[in-house]
Parts: sequence; structure tokens; C-alpha cells
Amino acid sequence: GAVVSQHPSWVICKSGTSVKIECRSLDFQATTMFWYRQFPKQSLMLMATSNEGSKATYEQGVEKDKFLINHASLTLSTLTVTSAHPEDSSFYICSASAEPYSNQPQHFGDGTRLSIL
Amino acid sequence: RKEVEQDPGPFNVPEGATVAFNCTYSNSASQSFFWYRQDCRKEPKLLMSVYSSGNEDGRFTAQLNRASQYISLLIRDSKLSDSATYLCVVIANDYKLSFGAGTTVTVRA
Repeated sequence: GAVVSQHPSWVICKSGTSVKIECRSLDFQATTMFWYRQFPKQSLMLMATSNEGSKATYEQGVEKDKFLINHASLTLSTLTVTSAHPEDSSFYICSASAEPYSNQPQHFGDGTRLSIL
Repeated sequence: RKEVEQDPGPFNVPEGATVAFNCTYSNSASQSFFWYRQDCRKEPKLLMSVYSSGNEDGRFTAQLNRASQYISLLIRDSKLSDSATYLCVVIANDYKLSFGAGTTVTVRA
């Protein structure tokens, strides 16, 4: 069964809307979760590392004021795309593992397909 | 140069055929390797880890060649359900994940 749950799976919104995506670890505590974005026919690109109880770490080129990350508990991280525009349309995926900084594989959420009109 | 590179394919094979493809990585300090499967519009799902000695899981065989810095995946007796994009994932010694863009495999009846 799924060990990482992501919600919603599909969002269609008007330009200017803010969209919140949730990522939950279901049967383990995740002090660290990762957020990715994937455009068609491209690889997953790491956007940011979400750390429980502290600020997220953003990759170069990712606007932290645009993509707000909150990791308020050991099982939940949220990504809010603020004032979304059509160019933000993409597939957003989170991942987590019980041991994030290890050689253990990551488990991915179901993904959220965001379409901004 | 990309950290992880894959032949995008597509590899179009008939049912029952064997298909194999590689993934090259640039960081010689990489320490963990995985193959994930991603179906269209879905999240990646772990297919198998890749061990130094090579490993097999049913019809799937993964190999690691550290000298040439690549991993491979071989699928025997292909099924229609094997049609997917296969992502190569590499963990470096700083535990940072790097993803390939994926190799698309299409198995036809």
C-alpha cells in the first residue's frame, strides 16, 4: 500500500489563485520531505527540501516566496503555489523516507497535476 | 553534462521479447542506485534497487558497472503491462538524489 499520500491529485484553477498541496507519510515519521516538479518528458527536478520545524531549503532558481513550504508535523508537509500562473502548470510530486539522508529509496506521493488556466 | 543520463527511447518491443537499456552517471562518488517505474501521469514507483553484484527480481535484472559508471536494466519475456517509463535514480555521497529523464518502453501485442 501507499506509504506517502499526496492530495489533491488534480487541480484546475484560474490564474492568480493560490493552490495548496499536501504530502503525508502514512506509516512513518518524516523529518524531511522533498518536493519535485516534472514537466512532460522531463526528469523530476528537485524544488526544495522540507524540514520539520524549520525553514525549507530551496534549490537554485526556485522562488521561495512563490512556493511556500510548511512542514508543521512529522507526517505532513504542504506546498502552496501562490498566485499561480499558466507557466506553473506542471506535475508536482513529494517524496519521503523514514531515513532521508541515507541510501534508502524514497517513496513518492501520488503526484498533483496542476493546470492553471 | 547531466548528472544522470538515459536513452529516452522509445523501445518498442513485441510481447515476449527481451529489452535492455542503460543509465550513466557522472558522479563517481555515487553510492546507491535504483530503478523506478513511472506510468503516464502517475508517480514513480520503486522497481528495484541495484546492488554491486547485480540482482534479479523475477523478469527484471539490474546490473551496476562502477568502472564505466552506468547501471542497466534488462526485462525478459516482456509483458504488455511492462509498458512504462523507467527512471534511473542515483544517490550521491551527500545523499542528494539525481534522476534520469526516463527511458520509455512500449510492449506491443
